[in-house]
Amino acid sequence: DTEVTQTPKHLVMGMTNKKSLKCEQHMGHRAMYWYKQKAKKPPELMFVYSYEKLSINESVPSRFSPECPNSSLLNLHLHALQPEDSALYLCASSQGTGSPEAGELFFGEGSRLTVL
Amino acid sequence: ELKVEQNPLFLSMQEGKNYTIYCNYSTTSDRLYWYRQDPGKSLESLFVLLSNGAVKQEGRLMASLDTKARLSTLHITAAVHDLSATYFCAVDPTGTASKLTFGTGTRLQVTL
Repeated sequence: DTEVTQTPKHLVMGMTNKKSLKCEQHMGHRAMYWYKQKAKKPPELMFVYSYEKLSINESVPSRFSPECPNSSLLNLHLHALQPEDSALYLCASSQGTGSPEAGELFFGEGSRLTVL
Repeated sequence: ELKVEQNPLFLSMQEGKNYTIYCNYSTTSDRLYWYRQDPGKSLESLFVLLSNGAVKQEGRLMASLDTKARLSTLHITAAVHDLSATYFCAVDPTGTASKLTFGTGTRLQVTL
């Protein structure tokens, strides 16, 4: 059982909709991540939050807006998406950037997004 | 730009056979991770390799890291059907996980 939970598991939205993806972790981790994964491709990093502050934004379009309300929660707000944004969105957490095991990410089950 | 390449990209093997998946990366790093992804599912951490010569084993899988050659291997011993999945290596050149780059992935199919 994963200790990183994501909701919703599936989301279908139109190009004019506003929706949010939510992620919660209960492992006391200090870093949280959003990854995007297209079919048969590796995950691609979107955002990194370290100690609740945005530390990495991999040139993601502004129609994706991350938010970290506290150390356990991570949201991804979606607005005016394009059909090519359809993908599996994965949330992950880790002990925190700088620790020896920093790269061991613990992933949620993902939110499968379809943009019509 | 860091490149992480795996080969083969697809591997079909019979139960009971042995095989090795290779992960090559283009920049200096002494930290490498292996993940498993079942179809339609999320990624699960398998191994954390933190230094040159590191070797980790779990069941029928063994991972090693050669930082001088910029190469990691994932060896499968006496494969079973349950090992069918996609395996990703991931490299962390900064040591901070802020720039974890995943390899291209190897889809393993173990046939009965």
